[in-house]
Amino acid sequence: EDKVVQSPLSLVVHEGDTVTLNCSYEVTNFRSLLWYKQEKKAPTFLFMLTSSGIEKKSGRLSSILDKKELFSILNITATQTGDSAIYLCAVAKSNAGNMLTFGGGTRLMVKP
Amino acid sequence: ETGVTQTPRHLVMGMTNKKSLKCEQHLGHNAMYWYKQSAKKPLELMFVYSLEERVENNSVPSRFSPECPNSSHLFLHLHTLQPEDSALYLCASSQEMNSPLHFGNGTRLTVT
Repeated sequence: EDKVVQSPLSLVVHEGDTVTLNCSYEVTNFRSLLWYKQEKKAPTFLFMLTSSGIEKKSGRLSSILDKKELFSILNITATQTGDSAIYLCAVAKSNAGNMLTFGGGTRLMVKP
Repeated sequence: ETGVTQTPRHLVMGMTNKKSLKCEQHLGHNAMYWYKQSAKKPLELMFVYSLEERVENNSVPSRFSPECPNSSHLFLHLHTLQPEDSALYLCASSQEMNSPLHFGNGTRLTVT
C-alpha cells in the first residue's frame, strides 16, 4: 500500500526562525513529489520534484528530494506570520496519471 | 482567485436530501478532479476526469455521482449521504494528467 508520511504533525515557531518540514514516502513506480500550502481552503502549488539532489527554490522556500532514501524536505527561512498554514506533501506515480497520494500535512504556526 | 471556482461554499443537508456541488475552471485545463478532505485524514482522491472522460473512480460509494459535461465544468451529485460524509470537498484541475493541480476553495459539507 502506498504511504506518504509527514513530520512533524504541527510546529510553532517565531518570526525569523527557519523551519524544516519532512515528507517520507513508500510508493511503487514513483514519478514525482509535490508540495502544497493550504492556508484556509484551496491548497496552492509550491514545488514539483522529480530528480534527486536538485534543489528547487522560490523566495524563502526551498525543497529537495532524495530518491534513494525516499524523502523530501521543505525549508522555510526567515519565517513570517503569513507562512502559517498546513503544508501538504503528495506523491504521483508514473502509471497513475495525476492520482496523487497525500500525506497528512504539517500544521505550521508562525508567531509574531 | 484560484481560477477554479466552487459553489456553494457551504452546504448543510439532511440524509434524505439530494444536492449537487459545482466546480468551474477558467484555466483551459484538460483534467478535473474531486478530492475529499476530512478532519484528521489526508486528502483523498474521489474522481478524475480527463477530456471529459472518467479515468478513475477511487472506490467511492454510489451515493456520490460525478458528472463532467465539458472540460470546464464538473459536478458532484449527492444523495442519501451519511453524517460521516461531512467534509471539505475540493475540486482541482490540471493542464495535463502529469501537471500540478490547481485547487478551488472547496465546499464545506455538513450532513445532519
